[in-house]
Amino acid sequence: ELKVEQNPLFLSMQEGKNYTIYCNYSTTSDRLYWYRQDPGKSLESLFVLLSNGAVKQEGRLMASLDTKARLSTLHITAAVHDLSATYFCAVDLSNQFYFGTGTSLTVIP
Amino acid sequence: EAGVTQSPTHLIKTRGQQATLRCSPISGHTSVYWYQQALGLGLQFLLWYDEGEERNRGNFPPRFSGRQFPNYSSELNVNALELEDSALYLCASSRSIGQPQHFGDGTRLSIL
Repeated sequence: ELKVEQNPLFLSMQEGKNYTIYCNYSTTSDRLYWYRQDPGKSLESLFVLLSNGAVKQEGRLMASLDTKARLSTLHITAAVHDLSATYFCAVDLSNQFYFGTGTSLTVIP
Repeated sequence: EAGVTQSPTHLIKTRGQQATLRCSPISGHTSVYWYQQALGLGLQFLLWYDEGEERNRGNFPPRFSGRQFPNYSSELNVNALELEDSALYLCASSRSIGQPQHFGDGTRLSIL
């Protein structure tokens, strides 16, 4: 079974700082997704990464995929409070999504 | 475009009862997925339906079952409810393979 590990599980960072969330997975796949979940809410799709070397950016968030290393990163630039949420990566294996445990991000003013 | 809709929002049952959860996908999406998100745990894949057929299921006992209707809406049925079935059940839909899954707001199932 595919294992998906995210780290860190919890992240507290000050506004204006940069940080990276890591997503490692155990089986070859070239489709990876990032989602955001606010407390009590459902998941919102952030990025779709469909090939090795794919890089997507939206605002202060940038996601990348290295299929050879089985690693995806979500980089946060100059964090703001509105980015506080839980972030999940999900690996697509034969159209079955395997989710990471999530990274709970808190941005402190 | 209307999003994925789930009903009911909350459902309270007692042990041994049966629960039915419903999901309507985004118009044009033929695949429906069900996930369980228990407190403190990540999303666990339950079931995938496409074109009315069950395509895959996760590591859950047979008392978790469902179906997809001709209009692509779906039901998740949980029989012989146990306390550990208490969780948020999320439904998602997608247009095709390689496309992101769009999630509904979920049904929170509480077992007393």
